[in-house]
Amino acid sequence: DTGVSQDPRHKITKRGQNVTFRCDPISEHNRLYWYRQTLGQGPEFLTYFQNEAQLEKSRLLSDRFSAERPKGSFSTLEIQRTEQGDSAMYLCASSPRGGLSPLHFGNGTRLTVT
Amino acid sequence: DQQVKQNSPSLSVQEGRISILNCDYTNSMFDYFLWYKKYPAEGPTFLISISSIKDKNEDGRFTVFLNKSAKHLSLHIVPSQPGDSAVYFCAASGRAGANNLFFGTGTRLTVIP
Repeated sequence: DTGVSQDPRHKITKRGQNVTFRCDPISEHNRLYWYRQTLGQGPEFLTYFQNEAQLEKSRLLSDRFSAERPKGSFSTLEIQRTEQGDSAMYLCASSPRGGLSPLHFGNGTRLTVT
Repeated sequence: DQQVKQNSPSLSVQEGRISILNCDYTNSMFDYFLWYKKYPAEGPTFLISISSIKDKNEDGRFTVFLNKSAKHLSLHIVPSQPGDSAVYFCAASGRAGANNLFFGTGTRLTVIP
């Protein structure tokens, strides 16, 4: 079990640029989640995949955000035309199929928009 | 609207003593509750959970208590160790294994050697 891996760990970008983050879940986990955490807050749900299907999206996920999980393994989260308010820690998590399975989080990608 | 609240941003306890972290929720539909621990520069790590059919769950030094009528849960750590120093998040979901966890704002625990 190598855990959930996220890349990059840090990203600094200028306002208006596009950024893409990658998440590799634990290999046997078919559920994958994206959360966002801002300073002083707990993680907030963004979206959820079961295998390659995106089954749930939060209202926080504006149309500038898009997530994919094309082969049901790794996932990408893209933010287009970044804004300063997008600065946050983006956390990916995975869990196995069904049941009372807690989420296993990666170490996150910290995005700073200048 | 914060559905899960941790009203104490920080807590300090002496090594060996009991740490009690509290969490309140407003949504009566929540039926599954979890505690996560977070060290700096790392993601949250699952600690312990409880479903609404129970009022207590214990795992080693960690015990979670659930009071459904008060919409309150607490995490007890005994004895506290310096390695327990971290930020603790309470989380809840509307059904067991639900995809959308609601997190509190966290309590920073410092265990003083």
